[in-house]
Amino acid sequence: EPEVTQTPSHQVTQMGQEVILRCVPISNHLYFYWYRQILGQKVEFLVSFYNNEISEKSEIFDDQFSVERPDGSNFTLKIRSTKLEDSAMYFCASSERYQETQYFGPGTRLLVL
Amino acid sequence: ILNVEQSPQSLHVQEGDSTNFTCSFPSSNFYALHWYRWETAKSPEALFVMTLNGDEKKKGRISATLNTKEGYSYLYIKGSQPEDSATYLCAFNPVNNNDMRFGAGTRLTVKP
Repeated sequence: EPEVTQTPSHQVTQMGQEVILRCVPISNHLYFYWYRQILGQKVEFLVSFYNNEISEKSEIFDDQFSVERPDGSNFTLKIRSTKLEDSAMYFCASSERYQETQYFGPGTRLLVL
Repeated sequence: ILNVEQSPQSLHVQEGDSTNFTCSFPSSNFYALHWYRWETAKSPEALFVMTLNGDEKKKGRISATLNTKEGYSYLYIKGSQPEDSATYLCAFNPVNNNDMRFGAGTRLTVKP
């Protein structure tokens, strides 16, 4: 069964460093998403992406974040200058169509020191 | 504010017990309600998506109901098994918006 994959599974970085989190969505899906879950809190929406552009974003998704689909398979989330409060589990998801079931990857646990 | 609440926060049951938990969500601006099952270190697994008031969905021993007028959904597990142990998340999709607003989850532990 097709699945969403994410790399790395864990990443530790120093405050102020840039990180890139990678995702491979399900191949025939057209909508891509990033969510995050800070430890002990709810899963929060960051951004959705369709047709090579951001379609929706939350107030969390500020100028330090960016997303890209650099080729036909990868979908990346870049955090330019990480802060301690960016430490979280970051989930990628994809869906075939708008407002349909979103399929999640296993997440990347990011720790900013 | 589109707040999604789940109760209880955690639940411990014996193998063979049936159980249920609740998700409440805004009744206005509703498009869809999703249930996910999330085991530690794995991807959240989509269980159900429900859009119509009165919807009932079933997958094996797990079923869900939806009341959009009053803004709640129930998830039922019949004859719980240890492998049902997981966190069950619900997520609300408002109209004309593709993000999902998650509840905090109900953590179910089924003891053999």
